[in-house]
Amino acid sequence: NAGVTQTPKFQVLKTGQSMTLQCAQDMNHEYMSWYRQDPGMGLRLIHYSVGAGITDQGEVPNGYNVSRSTTEDFPLRLLSAAPSQTSVYFCASSYAPDRGTEAFFGQGTRLTVV
Amino acid sequence: DAKTTQPNSMESNEEEPVHLPCNHSTISGTDYIHWYRQLPSQGPEYVIHGLTSNVNNRMASLAIAEDRKSSTLILHRATLRDAAVYYCILRGSGGSNYKLTFGKGTLLTVNP
Repeated sequence: NAGVTQTPKFQVLKTGQSMTLQCAQDMNHEYMSWYRQDPGMGLRLIHYSVGAGITDQGEVPNGYNVSRSTTEDFPLRLLSAAPSQTSVYFCASSYAPDRGTEAFFGQGTRLTVV
Repeated sequence: DAKTTQPNSMESNEEEPVHLPCNHSTISGTDYIHWYRQLPSQGPEYVIHGLTSNVNNRMASLAIAEDRKSSTLILHRATLRDAAVYYCILRGSGGSNYKLTFGKGTLLTVNP
């Protein structure tokens, strides 16, 4: 049981480049989400998914795309990286509330956009 | 989303109990009270959650006020490893309401 796995752990991008942050979970969780955390701040929700084929926006979705083609994977795509997207990104997963609501987080991806 | 209010920081001594307060005066009847913590350079980690009754697990206890407008996370004997940011979060039970919305949390410092 690996839990929530994020790759890569570190990434440096140039402004305008695109990339995909990967997130995978092996717990058959319905709910997955992406957060960003800037220095000294709490986590802010970017996008979330309540099941395969279903995604929705969080509080800071601009500049990011997601899709959920399988239960296990929830990749986050940066379309055209900007310095304002320099942050630490966390992926989380959990069961739907009627099956228990503990959320599991990955170890994060530290992204720098220069 | 229902909001929570926590002190920005608290300090404790090692091996003493710690009581971390959280106010959530706009909580709805179906909101669960969750606590997570984040150690330095790590992802958040689940601590405990409850709905109406007090809860205990191996990490901590959660005391919920009778009117559910406040709660307290209790670490019975703080260790240096408990130094972290603690987040009190309300999580609904259906649809988009069960996303986790983080505030700034309480930074707990544990003194040896």
